[in-house]
Amino acid sequence: QVTLRESGPALVKPTQTLTLTCTFSGFSLSTSGMCVSWIRQPPGKALEWLARIDWDDDKYYSTSLKTRLTISKDTPKNQVVLTMTNMDPVDTATYYCARGGATIDYWGQGTLVTVSS
Amino acid sequence: EIVLTQSPDFQSVTPKEKVTITCRASQSIGSNLHWYQQKPDQSPKLLIKYASQSISGVPSRFSGSGSGTDFTLTINSLEAEDAATYYCHQSSSLPFTFGPGTKVDIK
Repeated sequence: QVTLRESGPALVKPTQTLTLTCTFSGFSLSTSGMCVSWIRQPPGKALEWLARIDWDDDKYYSTSLKTRLTISKDTPKNQVVLTMTNMDPVDTATYYCARGGATIDYWGQGTLVTVSS
Repeated sequence: EIVLTQSPDFQSVTPKEKVTITCRASQSIGSNLHWYQQKPDQSPKLLIKYASQSISGVPSRFSGSGSGTDFTLTINSLEAEDAATYYCHQSSSLPFTFGPGTKVDIK
């Protein structure tokens, strides 16, 4: 059974760095072809693809956010970490981690991050 | 970056009616187009992959078609439980992108 769970702060201040952890089970990032992606969704708005990390440690980022994002993995712990620097109120959103690269077949429940002073 | 547009933005539909949602890509993406359903306060769910491939467990009333730049999601005989926002998503080239969504409401 595949599950993913996001964890991190619910509230961050403007200019701070956000660190989110995705802890998953039911698959391994040591398996060839496996990927984990991060997607976010501002309240009432559309999904936005953020980043992806592959089993071979290849990393891909949103064009508009790539200077602020870092994705990494801890394969033995079954975790993927996303950091986003210089947070702004417009970054307020539910952040999802999900399994998959091309097709995203399993999603976490999402974690709402609010950026406010 | 590939931009996806969807139409309509919103559709109010009677049960048993047929629903058609279109997704257009800013450049050819082959069949690398997937559809997701998101109900209120839930995570998205994969409905159709690679334009027309069905997903196990998804009702057969959902189907997809298209290739290149123009794609369609069809819901035959809409049911009340299909009230949701539907998103298309391209995986032809990185960075991957999502469409803006189509909200389907039940009359």
